[in-house]
Amino acid sequence: QVQLVESGGGVVQPGGSLRLSCVASGFTFSRYGMHWVRQAPGKGLEWVAYIRHDGGNNYYADSVKGRFTVSRDNSKSTLYLQMDSLRPEDTAVYYCAKKIGNEDLFDCWGQGTLVTVSS
Amino acid sequence: EIVMTQSPAALSVSPGGRATLSCRASQSVSSNLAWYQQEPGQAPRLLIYGASTRATDIPARFSGSGSGTEFTLTISSLQAEDFALYYCQQYNNWPLTFGGGTKVEIE
Repeated sequence: QVQLVESGGGVVQPGGSLRLSCVASGFTFSRYGMHWVRQAPGKGLEWVAYIRHDGGNNYYADSVKGRFTVSRDNSKSTLYLQMDSLRPEDTAVYYCAKKIGNEDLFDCWGQGTLVTVSS
Repeated sequence: EIVMTQSPAALSVSPGGRATLSCRASQSVSSNLAWYQQEPGQAPRLLIYGASTRATDIPARFSGSGSGTEFTLTISSLQAEDFALYYCQQYNNWPLTFGGGTKVEIE
C-alpha cells in the first residue's frame, strides 16, 4: 500500500537549520508531484512547498520562501525539505503528502515529524 | 491569496444525527475544493475532492456540494469515528490554502 514516512524532525535553535526526509513506497514516486504541509501545535493546516514529479516547478508559501528548499531523489523515492534560518513560528508537525493525479490536493499523507524551534 | 473560511468552528451533534459544515472562499475556486478529516494525533485523510467526489473507501454518508465560493460537507447518520476535525482546501490557485477547520463533537 501507499506509504510515506517522514524523519529528521527535532529541536533546533532560532536561526538554525534542519533537513526533513520523506521516504515513499507503494507507488511510482517519480510520477507524482509531492507537497509539504505543516501544522503548528493546536492550529490548522498550512501548505508549505511543492515539487513537480521531475524536480522542476517548485512553489513555496510566502512564509518560507527564501528559507526553505524542497528537493527530491527519485532513485531513492525520497522527498526532502531543507529548512534554514528557522524561526519559532516554524514550530510544527511537518507532513509530506502525495499529489493526486494532476490536481494539487493530497490523497496520502505521512505520519508527520515534529520540528521545534526554541532557544 | 484565497482565504478559506469555515463555519461553525465547532458543532455538537448526537450519534446518528446529521452534521452540515460550511466552507467559503474569498474568490471563486470553481469546483477545486477538497475536504479532509483529522482525528487527534493523526494525519489528515482525504474525504472529498472536486467539491463532491468521494475519495477511495470513503463511506456514502459523507457528501459534498457547492461550487464557486460556497461549499458544504454533510455527514449523515454520524458514527463514533466521525467525531473529528474537518478542513476544506482550495487547489484552484497558488498558494494552496486551507480553512481554519470545524470540530465535530459529540452532543
